[in-house]
Amino acid sequence: AQKITQTQPGMFVQEKEAVTLDCTYDTSDPSYGLFWYKQPSSGEMIFLIYQGSYDQQNATEGRYSLNFQKARKSANLVISASQLGDSAMYFCAMRPNAGGTSYGKLTFGQGTILTVHP
Amino acid sequence: DADVTQTPRNRITKTGKRIMLECSQTKGHDRMYWYRQDPGLGLRLIYYSFDVKDINKGEISDGYSVSRQAQAKFSLSLESAIPNQTALYFCATSEGSGRLAGVYEQYFGPGTRLTVT
Repeated sequence: AQKITQTQPGMFVQEKEAVTLDCTYDTSDPSYGLFWYKQPSSGEMIFLIYQGSYDQQNATEGRYSLNFQKARKSANLVISASQLGDSAMYFCAMRPNAGGTSYGKLTFGQGTILTVHP
Repeated sequence: DADVTQTPRNRITKTGKRIMLECSQTKGHDRMYWYRQDPGLGLRLIYYSFDVKDINKGEISDGYSVSRQAQAKFSLSLESAIPNQTALYFCATSEGSGRLAGVYEQYFGPGTRLTVT
């Protein structure tokens, strides 16, 4: 079984500063993918970034980067140059990429609420 | 138009009533999923379908049933609603055919806010 842990219920950051949202995971699957989603107050889920467990480099998408440390089983999201519109709930999620009964299914963490101050 | 749509967007119903939540997608994806979101618990998988004839239970399927009417449509039913089914429900889709896993992201609908009184 997979487990995702986000230990920061809430985070605050000043506009234009960088912020790191923590995510640790536990899995016995040899191949897996890690995802981050953003959920603004309007409720929709927005895909931000993906990291494969065998990817050699950390994923980046614009102002988002994923600090992947496989040995520590962590997949922290780094948002650079925070903007007011970044205020939202952020979810880390994991999915096995190999065959088996649990493949294809996303397991989500509890989420972190990020508030960006002007 | 949105790629993944859910109807209704908001619904208030009474305990014991049957209710159906509908999901439609225009992305042409084979895989569809139903999740519920409760405060502090993130999203949890209710049911998922890899194609029209392949439907599977997720981690919290008790009290729910689903129907995959077509590739583009996946409905979630609460046969007899109870108050602890009050939650935000999401439908999602992803690429991938049959049982081949991939790295495909899931695309989420806008959510249905369900309240059972």
